[in-house]
Amino acid sequence: QVQLVESGAEVKKPGASVKVTCKASGFTFTAYYIHWVRQAPGQGVEWMGWININNGATNYAQKFQGRVTMTRDTSLSTGYMELSRLRSDDTAVYYCARDLITMVRGVDGMDVWGQGTTVTVSS
Amino acid sequence: SYELTQSPSVSVSPGQTASITCSGDKLGNKYACWYQQKPGQSPVLVIYQNSKRPSGIPERFSGSNSGNSATLTISGTQAMDEADYYCQAWDSSIVVFGGGTKLSVL
Repeated sequence: QVQLVESGAEVKKPGASVKVTCKASGFTFTAYYIHWVRQAPGQGVEWMGWININNGATNYAQKFQGRVTMTRDTSLSTGYMELSRLRSDDTAVYYCARDLITMVRGVDGMDVWGQGTTVTVSS
Repeated sequence: SYELTQSPSVSVSPGQTASITCSGDKLGNKYACWYQQKPGQSPVLVIYQNSKRPSGIPERFSGSNSGNSATLTISGTQAMDEADYYCQAWDSSIVVFGGGTKLSVL
């Protein structure tokens, strides 16, 4: 079935990096953007950036530029999000979500989400 | 930077109509989406392209978007609709979420 399955929970120390994986199945991976969205405890959702799976182009929220890297491996139908120089306020659930690549952006919404990966940053 | 603004909370009685609004500059010129999130779960798309429902989303969910506001309307609200709701739009190549609205069904 159509799904995005994320990697397991991580515990990191401040200053370290974390890499979260998002494995797709049941659909044509290269037809989509993969967005990364995070949610700190008790807070709203926050968009981090997207990667165009077809051509590898990325766009990151200004807040994360210089700290986040989104990549993909089309042979494995997997997307990756690496966040570096972790701080305690990076503690959050990190989600990946797919969004169809269309001529007009934003038409179809993020219709499939991963289950979320909890990243805890603590010394 | 572009911002979407939502009221933090909305309350509704079971069976009544709930309206959740999302405000942004010239939002009506963009496509708005809405997501429902229940505690401990991933968000679920309930409205896309301003007013379309994905398959499996009940007909009581509807949406509109014009001017500077988008609205999610839930008709005949049920207890199971109690959740956080987020609006979302693209601004050029950037994606923006609203701050979320907690819908309480009392």
